[in-house]
Amino acid sequence: SAVISQKPSRDICQRGTSLTIQCQVDSQVTMMFWYRQQPGQSLTLIATANQGSEATYESGFVIDKFPISRPNLTFSTLTVSNMSPEDSSIYLCTSEAVDGYTFGSGTRLTVV
Amino acid sequence: QQQVKQSPQSLIVQKGGISIINCAYENTAFDYFPWYQQFPGKGPALLIAIRPDVSEKKEGRFTISFNKSAKQFSLHIMDSQPGDSATYFCAASIRGYGGATNKLIFGTGTLLAVQP
Repeated sequence: SAVISQKPSRDICQRGTSLTIQCQVDSQVTMMFWYRQQPGQSLTLIATANQGSEATYESGFVIDKFPISRPNLTFSTLTVSNMSPEDSSIYLCTSEAVDGYTFGSGTRLTVV
Repeated sequence: QQQVKQSPQSLIVQKGGISIINCAYENTAFDYFPWYQQFPGKGPALLIAIRPDVSEKKEGRFTISFNKSAKQFSLHIMDSQPGDSATYFCAASIRGYGGATNKLIFGTGTLLAVQP
């Protein structure tokens, strides 16, 4: 199955700042997906990132707040902009492999 | 229609017992139903998955039962062990068989505690 690597694994950020999270897949994939998991909650899809086109955002998520880049078939970034404490969550990326969707360990973000 | 409903929210089982977690969906276009296991501080790990053309799939102590007409599927953990204590998520997707890639919709999660 595909191996997902995310950086950073965790960060503590000041409110009003931005953080860019990197996601690397060890094989070429068509689509990558970014999820948010708030404390004690399930995973909510933020957006779908297709290489060479604009990301598709889910209801409640906007590009200005969560800009995404997808420069090639193995890499994507998610930026959490103008952060507030409500953005404190685990952010996870995934892609589909032959045997299913694989997740990395995620990025644990705390906004203070 | 995109929701996946999961129950129970939490579950306590004795060691050696059977853990059962249930999920229901509305969108009949869903054709891929995985279960994920998540330990604290870790990302979700794919446990087992099923397609709607079979009613049951077993891998070791983990079994998915699928009822297409009722639009329900469940995870059974046989001989539950304390090491199985984790949060379990069901999910659903429209995946297709030709390499199509679609988003995964998650259930709300079940916190399982297996007591020794």
